Amino acid sequence: EDQVTQSPEALRLQEGESSSLNCSYTVSGLRGLFWYRQDPGKGPEFLFTLYSAGEEKEKERLKATLTKKESFLHITAPKPEDSATYLCAGHGSGNTGKLIFGQGTTLQVKP
Amino acid sequence: DVKVTQSSRYLVKRTGEKVFLECVQDMDHENMFWYRQDPGLGLRLIYFSYDVKMKEKGDIPEGYSVSREKKERFSLILESASTNQTSMYLCASSQGVDQPQHFGDGTRLSIL
Repeated sequence: EDQVTQSPEALRLQEGESSSLNCSYTVSGLRGLFWYRQDPGKGPEFLFTLYSAGEEKEKERLKATLTKKESFLHITAPKPEDSATYLCAGHGSGNTGKLIFGQGTTLQVKP
Repeated sequence: DVKVTQSSRYLVKRTGEKVFLECVQDMDHENMFWYRQDPGLGLRLIYFSYDVKMKEKGDIPEGYSVSREKKERFSLILESASTNQTSMYLCASSQGVDQPQHFGDGTRLSIL
């Protein structure tokens, strides 16, 4: 069964303290790995898509990487406004666009 | 910019009522999706549609139906609302099956 697991569930950082969020996946025929940011009371906001192992994408303080078994979201020198829940999702070999979501990592960055 | 609009942010209904949740996208996307999001369970796919008048069941379709009469609009229908359908409902759309899904801000539905 296809599965996406995120760790840790929650992460508290001081402003400027870099760290990484993990997304492990067992999705047969992975066709894309997606990262989203979700603020309380809002829908997920798209951040990155990664399609093949070794691929990296960057946006401001965020960098996403992909291997054959997991993806990392690296946060460099985070600011309080980076506080949110980060979701990853895998798209498998089916031709439906159906995503398998992880449970998310809730990040809190303290000033 | 991509825009997915859900008709209500908050909705309170009674058990047994028929409930309609509306979603409109302005990007001419082919695919549209309905999810529910619950603490500890994450996002679960209810139904999706890859073309007008086409629909496919997701992981938890029981108690729900959908309608897609026009490309830009995808409606979720709770045939007879029950308290276990209290949840956050999220609509999304995408251009193609390998493209990212873009979400609306959700409808928080309470069934009393």
